[in-house]
Amino acid sequence: KNEVEQSPQNLTAQEGEFITINCSYSVGISALHWLQQHPGGGIVSLFMLSSGKKKHGRLIATINIQEKHSSLHITASHPRDSAVYICAALPRGAQKLVFGQGTRLTINP
Amino acid sequence: ETGVTQTPRHLVMGMTNKKSLKCEQHLGHNAMYWYKQSAKKPLELMFVYSLEERVENNSVPSRLSPECPNSSHLFLHLHTLQPEDSALYLCASSQEAWTSLHFGNGTRLTVT
Repeated sequence: KNEVEQSPQNLTAQEGEFITINCSYSVGISALHWLQQHPGGGIVSLFMLSSGKKKHGRLIATINIQEKHSSLHITASHPRDSAVYICAALPRGAQKLVFGQGTRLTINP
Repeated sequence: ETGVTQTPRHLVMGMTNKKSLKCEQHLGHNAMYWYKQSAKKPLELMFVYSLEERVENNSVPSRLSPECPNSSHLFLHLHTLQPEDSALYLCASSQEAWTSLHFGNGTRLTVT
């Protein structure tokens, strides 16, 4: 079992829907990253957070340290949000990120 | 030019060839990384360089060897590859090790 688990693995929704992608991890962490990978392969760092909530445009990331859980929300989803979303945790005291397997999101017009 | 640039974008090579992947960052970052992404698998860390010193070597076969001549450039030298080395190779940089990562677009490598 991977130390970082994402759900769902695949998600298809209609334009305008509110999207939630979940990430659970099994170890204490220093920080958690959310990344976005488009079909061409390039990866964009969306958020790095260690507590609470961060918002950027239509994207919101939350983390609950006690429950070892983070969520990425997308409001008013759009087809250009279609991508693979990856959660990555930096275990406390460790020197490398542990990646989830990614969630493939498809937003249909 | 800004960001993290990787070249080439695509590479097809035979098992006996020698080639190099190049990564360049114009962000003034101190840490650079090579990641490998194989089909249907999570990203795998290969190497981390911080201030041009290798600080992580994640049990990568010696046929893929990194070089970091300065804090802006990172290379991955490839030789005598195997078909299982076919993957997307992603370079990333960050201000300090393990702060917010900035990724390049990747090099898709196919070994024939």
